[in-house]
Amino acid sequence: QITLKESGLPLVKPTQTLTLTCTFSGFSLSTVGVGVGWIRQPPGKALEWLALIYWDDVERYSPSLQSRLTITKDTSKNQVVLTMTYMDPMDTATYYCAHNTITGRSFDFWGQGTLVTVSS
Amino acid sequence: SFELTQPPSVSVSPGQTASITCSGDRVGEEYACWYQQKPGQSPVLVIYQDTQRPSGIPERFSGSNSGNTATLTISGTQPMDEADYYCQAWDSTTALYVFGTGTKVTVL
Repeated sequence: QITLKESGLPLVKPTQTLTLTCTFSGFSLSTVGVGVGWIRQPPGKALEWLALIYWDDVERYSPSLQSRLTITKDTSKNQVVLTMTYMDPMDTATYYCAHNTITGRSFDFWGQGTLVTVSS
Repeated sequence: SFELTQPPSVSVSPGQTASITCSGDRVGEEYACWYQQKPGQSPVLVIYQDTQRPSGIPERFSGSNSGNTATLTISGTQPMDEADYYCQAWDSTTALYVFGTGTKVTVL
């Protein structure tokens, strides 16, 4: 059974760096074809894909946010970490991590999400 | 990467068919998938690889994808299907993921 859970500080000040951790179980990020992605959703708005890391350490980023994002993985801890620099109130959103495979290119299992508010 | 556009809202009567479109250049050349999201909940995958239903998803959910439009169809819509729906695709030319703009389905 695949589960994912996001964690991180719920309140961040403008210009600070956000660090989010996705802790998962039920799969290994060393298995060929597996990836973990991050998706966010501002209140009342649509889903936005942010980044994804694959089993082979390949990283992919949203072009509009690439300069601010870094995604890393710790296979031994079953964790994926997303950092986003220069946070702005417009970055206030629920941040989700999700399981992905290269066969379907879809996000088939999602975490519960974590709300991050950017405010001074 | 391409952009995916959905109608903001779709209304349907109980028992009728709802169709939600997802428009984007070349979307038919890629696999499309669909998510259902109810208020306060995480998205749930309801269609992947254009037409496939994950285990546990009712048969009334079906998908198609051709040309510039992917479509999610809900046959015999039930009140429990009222939710936001998002399409998503992977652009093979850029290896990037894209979500659609989202559609609110109202069952009334």
